[in-house]
Amino acid sequence: DAGVIQSPRHEVTEMGQEVTLRCKPISGHNSLFWYRQTMMRGLELLIYFNNNVPIDDSGMPEDRFSAKMPNASFSTLKIQPSEPRDSAVYFCASSHLSNEQFFGPGTRLTVL
Amino acid sequence: AQSVTQLGSHVSVSEGALVLLRCNYSSSVPPYLFWYVQYPNQGLQLLLKYTTGATLVKGINGFEAEFKKSETSFHLTKPSAHMSDAAEYFCAVTGTGNQFYFGTGTSLTVIP
Repeated sequence: DAGVIQSPRHEVTEMGQEVTLRCKPISGHNSLFWYRQTMMRGLELLIYFNNNVPIDDSGMPEDRFSAKMPNASFSTLKIQPSEPRDSAVYFCASSHLSNEQFFGPGTRLTVL
Repeated sequence: AQSVTQLGSHVSVSEGALVLLRCNYSSSVPPYLFWYVQYPNQGLQLLLKYTTGATLVKGINGFEAEFKKSETSFHLTKPSAHMSDAAEYFCAVTGTGNQFYFGTGTSLTVIP
């Protein structure tokens, strides 16, 4: 298995633009997690899905952020409109039951 | 509710010295416990995990951790630090519904 796949790996955009981050979890995993990591705030859980259903989105910072999981093999995290304070590394992770989480390589987002 | 506390956001050791990174948890259910490592500009990868059985768990790169229920601890150790061990280390505990709770991380510096 190729592991968790995230795209793009790097994204540079201007304030106000829409940003879409993509994640393909490991096949057979039933849980998917989106995290944000910054120097100031560390690793933050944004939202997680079980069996494609959002379970806890309390970490989503505001309405500009949205996440979807239309099927078991794909998820998106969208920011619209983006702001400079959204600059961070965004990680996707997947897991099966309560076993370990497998992390993707991350998307480094820079909003100018 | 579940939570994780990592004592010491920064730890420095000399090359060849003992590494000890502390993790305490709280959990309302029997916990699964994990240590992850993050090297610069990379995602998190699993070092070791405790689910059930033997309380002393061995992981990759010579690391091990001991689950002590009476102390609600899961400290990470390595007998002899190597320069390549310099990284960020995260302790995590699972809760209900497949959610993971990560600590704030400990940055390990190895001094030559």
